[in-house]
Amino acid sequence: DAGVTQSPTHLIKTRGQQVTLRCSPKSGHDTVSWYQQALGQGPQFIFQYYEEEERQRGNFPDRFSGHQFPNYSSELNVNALLLGDSALYLCASSLRNHYGYTFGSGTRLTVV
Amino acid sequence: AQTVTQSQPEMSVQEAETVTLSCTYDTSESDYYLFWYKQPPSRQMILVIRQEAYKQQNATENRFSVNFQKAAKSFSLKISDSQLGDAAMYFCAYRSAANAGNNRKLIWGLGTSLAVNP
Repeated sequence: DAGVTQSPTHLIKTRGQQVTLRCSPKSGHDTVSWYQQALGQGPQFIFQYYEEEERQRGNFPDRFSGHQFPNYSSELNVNALLLGDSALYLCASSLRNHYGYTFGSGTRLTVV
Repeated sequence: AQTVTQSQPEMSVQEAETVTLSCTYDTSESDYYLFWYKQPPSRQMILVIRQEAYKQQNATENRFSVNFQKAAKSFSLKISDSQLGDAAMYFCAYRSAANAGNNRKLIWGLGTSLAVNP
């Protein structure tokens, strides 16, 4: 039973560029949530997707956008990258409205 | 808004000994879930234990147990017979039991780094 898969594992981008991170949920899960974890901090909620729509959003600017595909996989897009966007980005999958989450190993994004 | 506070940035324990990690939270809700997650260097968040607020009995999972004090809004994690593999960051997290609006997210503390000494 595959867990949550995130790609890439590491990424280095230049300020102003755009980045796309990908997440494949655990088999049987239909909901994907994204979190940003800055160094030495706890994760911060970015947004959640199910039924291919953004259902809930945290306090992040519009530069952060996402998408969910019919197979429940998801993408996180960040435009106009800032140095402060450097962080570990975690994807968590679950069943809709359920509190059981499975996390991926994250994508480490470094903006230089 | 709900908040989660972990007041111990770092803790250490001797192998085979017992350690307790502290977590307090603030909420006006009566029904919610509390979690302890472990984050090893592999970065993946691994669920250690979960507590439903409506349950008075403290949750236990093998060597891991919690002391849930709902009135005091306290949720500490006790690790018994500590093992080298327990060394990691430990995060306390809160989730509302309501699914409407903006309630489906996990709210996290800053974490406690646990070192296990041989």
